[in-house]
Amino acid sequence: QKEVEQDPGPLSVPEGAIVSLNCTYSNSAFQYFMWYRQYSRKGPELLMYTYSSGNKEDGRFTAQVDKSSKYISLFIRDSQPSVSATFLCAMKEYGGSQGNLIFGKGTKLSVKP
Amino acid sequence: NAGVTQTPKFRVLKTGQSMTLLCAQDMNHEYMYWYRQDPGMGLRLIHYSVGEGTTAKGEVPDGYNVSRLKKQNFLLGLESAAPSQTSVYFCASLKTGAGDTQYFGPGTRLTVL
Repeated sequence: QKEVEQDPGPLSVPEGAIVSLNCTYSNSAFQYFMWYRQYSRKGPELLMYTYSSGNKEDGRFTAQVDKSSKYISLFIRDSQPSVSATFLCAMKEYGGSQGNLIFGKGTKLSVKP
Repeated sequence: NAGVTQTPKFRVLKTGQSMTLLCAQDMNHEYMYWYRQDPGMGLRLIHYSVGEGTTAKGEVPDGYNVSRLKKQNFLLGLESAAPSQTSVYFCASLKTGAGDTQYFGPGTRLTVL
């Protein structure tokens, strides 16, 4: 079993939909949880960052961490075609060596007008 | 402020040829990383560096070498390219502190025939 599991999709939704992207993990030492967004033929860029459990909201995006279930989610409200991208979850341990992140495989999201 | 840049953007090699990929960052970051991204495999860490003159192996280091002679540059070398090294290569640098954000370059698309 990989340390981080993420359904690669692809996921296609209509404009205005609420989207839920998820990752599960096996390493209970993970404390930092991130979501990166990657547009086609571009490098990933940090979208959301959460430490330990709880929710964090930024515009139409909400990141949620449930450490008891080893499960993280990214919710996207009122999705627009411009949101279409691949979303990668990433995590690391507290004091994790040299900032090394463990990435999920990424979920490709397409929002249709 | 250009962030993280990568040279070249595209390259086609024949089996057995060698090449060097250059990554440069102008953010004075200590940590730098080389990843490869393959369909269905996600981002995998090849090598990383925690400072000028230091390098360390990541998850998939075989067939690659790296050097960090200057803080702003991180070179990835392929001594004898193989078709299995056909991939998109991303360089990243790390800003430490809250979030430990990794900043990615635009990628190099390498095809080995």
